[in-house]
Amino acid sequence: NAGVTQTPKFRVLKTGQSMTLLCAQDMNHEYMYWYRQDPGMGLRLIHYSVGEGTTAKGEVPDGYNVSRLKKQNFLLGLESAAPSQTSVYFCASSHKAYLEQFFGPGTRLTVL
Amino acid sequence: AQSVTQLDSHVSVSEGTPVLLRCNYSSSYSPSLFWYVQHPNKGLQLLLKYTSAATLVKGINGFEAEFKKSETSFHLTKPSAHMSDAAEYFCVNSGAGSYQLTFGKGTKLSVIP
Repeated sequence: NAGVTQTPKFRVLKTGQSMTLLCAQDMNHEYMYWYRQDPGMGLRLIHYSVGEGTTAKGEVPDGYNVSRLKKQNFLLGLESAAPSQTSVYFCASSHKAYLEQFFGPGTRLTVL
Repeated sequence: AQSVTQLDSHVSVSEGTPVLLRCNYSSSYSPSLFWYVQHPNKGLQLLLKYTSAATLVKGINGFEAEFKKSETSFHLTKPSAHMSDAAEYFCVNSGAGSYQLTFGKGTKLSVIP
């Protein structure tokens, strides 16, 4: 039982490049989330999904897109990376809303 | 609307002494409250959760927290700190009717040998 996994673990991009972060969970959770973590800011929600085929905006959605084509996967895309998107990105999942979330190990992204 | 305030950005204790990490919350509804721990370069791990059952909640690794509605607080405590407790701790609020967790800004705990 791997829990929540994220790929890649590290990535360096140049401004304007695109990339996709993959999150996978094997707990059959309905809800999945993408956060970014910046020093002194805690975690901020980018986008979330309440089930396969659904997505919704969180607190800081600009510059990101997401897709949930399969229940176990939640993809986060950056179409044109900017230095302000340098951050650590965490994926999480939960069985129901308002219950505890289970987090992946994170992806450290640097945009030059 | 819900919010969380962690009152200390950094706490330093000596090994073997008690730990107190303070958290105040606000919520329009009866909240669900969590404490998560993040060790350096790791993901977040759930320490404990309050979901309107017992007001004193016991978690992993000897941590516990007490929900005090009159004080709108959910402070995290441990009787005796270990070196392995050095990490960042997040107090988190999940308000009923919301899919979103609201994170505090974190308290970094240092343990001095």
